[in-house]
Amino acid sequence: SAVISQKPSRDICQRGTSLTIQCQVDSQVTMMFWYRQQPGQSLTLIATANQGSEATYESGFVIDKFPISRPNLTFSTLTVSNMSPEDSSIYLCSVVTVNNEQFFGPGTRLTVL
Amino acid sequence: GQQVMQIPQYQHVQEGEDFTTYCNSSTTLSNIQWYKQRPGGHPVFLIQLVKSGEVKKQKRLTFQFGEAKKNSSLHITATQTTDVGTYFCAGIMEYGNKLVFGAGTILRVKS
Repeated sequence: SAVISQKPSRDICQRGTSLTIQCQVDSQVTMMFWYRQQPGQSLTLIATANQGSEATYESGFVIDKFPISRPNLTFSTLTVSNMSPEDSSIYLCSVVTVNNEQFFGPGTRLTVL
Repeated sequence: GQQVMQIPQYQHVQEGEDFTTYCNSSTTLSNIQWYKQRPGGHPVFLIQLVKSGEVKKQKRLTFQFGEAKKNSSLHITATQTTDVGTYFCAGIMEYGNKLVFGAGTILRVKS
């Protein structure tokens, strides 16, 4: 398995501001992803974080709103830019191990006022 | 688009009763993974199924992958209050590399 940490665990932000979420994994992984989970909903993939290059975004998500970095194999950041109340959600980092098993971080609970 | 359908959406059982949640994919899956999410928690990996017709057990949990690799089920025998949570299936489509999640089944257990 993989141990994933995320910072911050939760935050309350004002609309129009930006928040950067960090994800650190304790071992080398093949892939890293960012998901969003809105209250009572399933998980929605935002993007695949690619090491050393631009992330690959899913339909409905764009780089200007959700810039992502992955400078090395074990670390990634997701920024939620120019936030609005609709961005209130749990943001989850996820990794795939060499066994093709996918694990999730503890999540960042974001509330935008 | 590629979809994974999961039913039921919600189930409320008496402690000791069995529980099953089902997933169906519109296309063939290369593998399927199951997760449990407790209220207020994050999805926790339970198991991965890869082979056609595969059956795996973890104590009171039995996971099956269909012969056609398009459906899967999770069965819990004699539920306990600690089984409460939302169970998600998630599949990787053949020739794909991204998990597609089902909507989840919320399990509540009455003691």
